Amino acid sequence: AQKITQTQPGMFVQEKEAVTLDCTYDTSDPSYGLFWYKQPSSGEMIFLIYQGSYDQQNATEGRYSLNFQKARKSANLVISASQLGDSAMYFCAMREAIFRYGNNRLAFGKGNQVVVIP
Amino acid sequence: NAGVTQTPKFQVLKTGQSMTLQCAQDMNHEYMSWYRQDPGMGLRLIHYSVGAGITDQGEVPNGYNVSRSTTEDFPLRLLSAAPSQTSVYFCASRPQYDSGYGYTFGSGTRLTVV
Repeated sequence: AQKITQTQPGMFVQEKEAVTLDCTYDTSDPSYGLFWYKQPSSGEMIFLIYQGSYDQQNATEGRYSLNFQKARKSANLVISASQLGDSAMYFCAMREAIFRYGNNRLAFGKGNQVVVIP
Repeated sequence: NAGVTQTPKFQVLKTGQSMTLQCAQDMNHEYMSWYRQDPGMGLRLIHYSVGAGITDQGEVPNGYNVSRSTTEDFPLRLLSAAPSQTSVYFCASRPQYDSGYGYTFGSGTRLTVV
C-alpha cells in the first residue's frame, strides 16, 4: 500500500509567488516523522524540513514551511517567494518505527516537479 | 567535512557481472541506508544498517548484498547484475539519536546494466 501520496502534476510557478505542494500519508504508528527533500536537475537529494508527529507547531525553515494537518494525515510544503533556483523535484517522505531495529526506514512519495518561471 | 561519499558516480555493467557500490561517511553516523530511484517510483529502500555488524533488508533487497564492518563504510554489492537493476542508487546516513535529523544523502551512482 502506498504510504506517501503526491499526486500533483508538474507545476509552473511565477517567480516571487508562493507554491504549495501536497502530501498525504498513511500510517498507524503514533510516532512518525515527515520530511521534505528537494532534488534539482543535478540529482542530489537536499533535506528541506522535518515535522514530528508530536510537534505542536508547524515546522518552518526559512522560506519553507510545513502545513501539518494530523487528523487529515496531510503534510503540505509551502515555499514562499519562489526563486528560479527552486525549480526541482520535491519529495515527501515519512519515517516510521521498525519493530526490530528502531526507526530508520524512510518511505518516499513519487515527487512533485516544480518549474519556476521569471 | 565530506559528508556521504559515493563511488563511482557512473557505471555501465553487462548482465551477469558483479560490482560493489561504495559508500563512506565521516560524520560518525550510526544509521546508513541504500535506496534506488527509478523514474516515477520515488526512492525505495534496499538495505539499511543501524551500526557496525548490523544490517537488515528494506523494500527491494533481492539481488543485493550489504555488510557493515565499520561505522564509516556501507558497501552495496550487486551479485549478478540484471537490466532491472538499472537505476540511480543513493546512500544515506543519520545519527542514531536525532530522529528529526534530515538524512544526509550521497550524490548518487547512476548504474546502467546492458
